[in-house]
Amino acid sequence: EAGVTQFPSHSVIEKGQTVTLRCDPISGHDNLYWYRRVMGKEIKFLLHFVKESKQDESGMPNNRFLAERTGGTYSTLKVQPAELEDSGVYFCASSQEGLLMNTEAFFGQGTRLTVV
Amino acid sequence: AQKVTQAQTEISVVEKEDVTLDCVYETRDTTYYLFWYKQPPSGELVFLIRRNSFDEQNEISGRYSWNFQKSTSSFNFTITASQVVDSAVYFCALSEAIGAGGTSYGKLTFGQGTILTVHP
Repeated sequence: EAGVTQFPSHSVIEKGQTVTLRCDPISGHDNLYWYRRVMGKEIKFLLHFVKESKQDESGMPNNRFLAERTGGTYSTLKVQPAELEDSGVYFCASSQEGLLMNTEAFFGQGTRLTVV
Repeated sequence: AQKVTQAQTEISVVEKEDVTLDCVYETRDTTYYLFWYKQPPSGELVFLIRRNSFDEQNEISGRYSWNFQKSTSSFNFTITASQVVDSAVYFCALSEAIGAGGTSYGKLTFGQGTILTVHP
């Protein structure tokens, strides 16, 4: 079974450009999360999808960030326009939902974004 | 607000030594979940353990063991007889309980991570 896959693994862009990160969750996982780790700090929650709906987007830093999950499958996170402080590693995670304690969240390998 | 503190930024040990990674958390929830994840050099976060707030039993899995103490809000992780392959960044995380009866966990609040280096 394929794990959570993120594309690209690395991206270097100039300030002011647009970048789109993609996450393919594990097939059948309704929950999809985006997290970000900036410069050795803690990993911070960005948002949570349940299928195609945004369940919680309280961690999105500002309106330059737009996340979508059309059809409840893969998700994209667009940063437009990118700023220097957006540099970091963006993680995606997915999990199943269940009546009992559900499975853990499986994480992808992350996308390292560098804004120069 | 939830908070997780991993006071040890970096730990360096020699192979076969035991090492304990500390994790202290803060939450106002009565039901919550605690996690440990490992991030090897390849970058992905690998799930190690989930513990819910009602289960204070310590757990052992091979060379790994976890000590959950609600009285001190701590969830420490010990690696016995460390090996070079244990070198990684280790993250402790906390989640609120959501859903009917608190049966599911929500977003994770992570600590800053502890870099563990095991030397041969």
